[in-house]
Amino acid sequence: GENVEQHPSTLSVQEGDSAVIKCTYSDSASNYFPWYKQELGKRPQLIIDIRSNVGEKKDQRIAVTLNKTAKHFSLHITETQPEDSAVYFCAASRGAAGNKLTFGGGTRVLVKP
Amino acid sequence: DAGVTQSPTHLIKTRGQQVTLRCSPKSGHDTVSWYQQALGQGPQFIFQYYEEEERQRGNFPDRFSGHQFPNYSSELNVNALLLGDSALYLCASNVRNTEAFFGQGTRLTVV
Repeated sequence: GENVEQHPSTLSVQEGDSAVIKCTYSDSASNYFPWYKQELGKRPQLIIDIRSNVGEKKDQRIAVTLNKTAKHFSLHITETQPEDSAVYFCAASRGAAGNKLTFGGGTRVLVKP
Repeated sequence: DAGVTQSPTHLIKTRGQQVTLRCSPKSGHDTVSWYQQALGQGPQFIFQYYEEEERQRGNFPDRFSGHQFPNYSSELNVNALLLGDSALYLCASNVRNTEAFFGQGTRLTVV
């Protein structure tokens, strides 16, 4: 089955700096890659997603890049703010967006003011 | 729109007991998925229900079972609870090819 590895497990950045989280996946048939943000005690919330027919997608300060050949994708957060502090999860799935998601282990991001 | 609602929010059970967790999907959603999130880890897929049938299943034993009702709400049942079943159980809903929308989860503690 699919396996998703996520690095780093923790990331501490200064407010205003950029943060980058990387994930690799094993199933070459995976074609949908969402990123979720989970604040303490709250539900995971989708922040951005990308499909395999696209190499990059951007939404304000957040961008995701995908390299299908290397089977890895990354989340980039620019101009970080204290409210970006949370745990971020990458995930991968085959087919429709709502199909079974295989998650990475998570990255705890701390933005220091 | 209340989003995905789960009940109860917290639950304490004894080893060997059985538990039922409930989920109401977001309005307009017809597909419900269940995930188990152990402390400090990413969610793991348990199963997905669509049209009252289990459509996909993850690598969980038969002690984990579910049901979907005609109104699209769903239940997750776990029998013969083990200490290792202690986790946050997340329900997610979606419709057709849209992204999964998660509830806040039920925190299950097995003692």
